[in-house]
Amino acid sequence: QKEVEQDPGPLSVPEGAIVSLNCTYSNSAFQYFMWYRQYSRKGPELLMYTYSSGNKEDGRFTAQVDKSSKYISLFIRDSQPSDSATYLCAATGTASKLTFGTGTRLQVTL
Amino acid sequence: ETGVTQTPRHLVMGMTNKKSLKCEQHLGHNAMYWYKQSAKKPLELMFVYNFKEQTENNSVPSRFSPECPNSSHLFLHLHTLQPEDSALYLCASSQSAGVDTGELFFGEGSRLTVL
Repeated sequence: QKEVEQDPGPLSVPEGAIVSLNCTYSNSAFQYFMWYRQYSRKGPELLMYTYSSGNKEDGRFTAQVDKSSKYISLFIRDSQPSDSATYLCAATGTASKLTFGTGTRLQVTL
Repeated sequence: ETGVTQTPRHLVMGMTNKKSLKCEQHLGHNAMYWYKQSAKKPLELMFVYNFKEQTENNSVPSRFSPECPNSSHLFLHLHTLQPEDSALYLCASSQSAGVDTGELFFGEGSRLTVL
């Protein structure tokens, strides 16, 4: 079983839609949760960083962690074509290495 | 130059060639990493250097040989590679290499094709 599971997609949505990207994880020691965005032919860039359970909002992006169900989510409101990219979830803890999901490819169409 | 820069961006090599990938970070960070990214697989951590000392070798075959002459530069020397080594090789840096560090800054990667 992979420590971080993520549906690879692709996920295609129309412009303006609300996007929900999700991951599950198995390691209870994970305390820090991240979302990275990777555009085509580029390296990943950190998008959101959260600690433990709860929500964190940054503009159109909201990261949500539910440690009881080991579920990580990223919501994108009013999605734009410029949001088209691969989104990687990642998790780590004080006694565990940074572990990535496989990434979900998102396509926002006009 | 800003951030993390990797050269070359693309590399094609035969199985008997020797080549090197170069990474340079301009962020004043103390830790540098090599990751391998293959299609439909999670990012695979290969090596970690913290203050120029190798702190992690994630069971990487010896045909990959890292070198970190200082905190700003990282190399990955390649020799007698296999076709399955074809992938995007990403360099990253962070302030330090604590196990709970999630804030990595990545370069754009070196796309390697082994014929």
